[in-house]
Amino acid sequence: GAGVSQTPSNKVTEKGKYVELRCDPISGHTALYWYRQSLGQGPEFLIYFQGTGAADDSGLPNDRFFAVRPEGSVSTLKIQRTERGDSAVYLCASSLMASGGLTDTQYFGPGTRLTVL
Amino acid sequence: QKEVEQDPGPLSVPEGAIVSLNCTYSNSAFQYFMWYRQYSRKGPELLMYTYSSGNKEDGRFTAQVDKSSKYISLFIRDSQPSDSATYLCAMRRAGGSEKLVFGKGMKLTVNP
Repeated sequence: GAGVSQTPSNKVTEKGKYVELRCDPISGHTALYWYRQSLGQGPEFLIYFQGTGAADDSGLPNDRFFAVRPEGSVSTLKIQRTERGDSAVYLCASSLMASGGLTDTQYFGPGTRLTVL
Repeated sequence: QKEVEQDPGPLSVPEGAIVSLNCTYSNSAFQYFMWYRQYSRKGPELLMYTYSSGNKEDGRFTAQVDKSSKYISLFIRDSQPSDSATYLCAMRRAGGSEKLVFGKGMKLTVNP
């Protein structure tokens, strides 16, 4: 079946602008995660949703970052007043359920490459 | 000190070589251990998933976890040029909602 999809694949914006990044999880997956991957680094956790609610947003770097998942499926990561340091690949992952077992396997999308000029 | 340490390499080997990739970690609460493979400009793809200590084999890949030493390994036998990618170790605590904590990733090149 279809995997996790993310749009756009690339986004170039100017410092100070607002951006929205979209994630479509695997159908039926209740858990959705956002990670950020800087060049030469592993992905770093941003926020996790179980259904519509954010269960853990401890990785969001500051209040310029916000994410929603209003209907428990598609999620949007929103970044206000972008800074050059926000440039990175933003990865979305989904898992079937948050049960602590193998069904918690996280499947990743291809990412959105954000460049802030 | 980061929770998960991984030598970023890069590592270059000839085709057919045995490759050993390793990570160490500091958080004893980690219970689930994973290896992801990431091709250039793609998302991470799950290779191996291990719970607690022990070995797991899948084809040419073997994952080992030594919780007493807080050390995990991935072995690739008979390496192929198609194995050229970045390999990321990842781990998380028990419990259903836990985030993954990743190493930096090791860039591997297998030369034909």
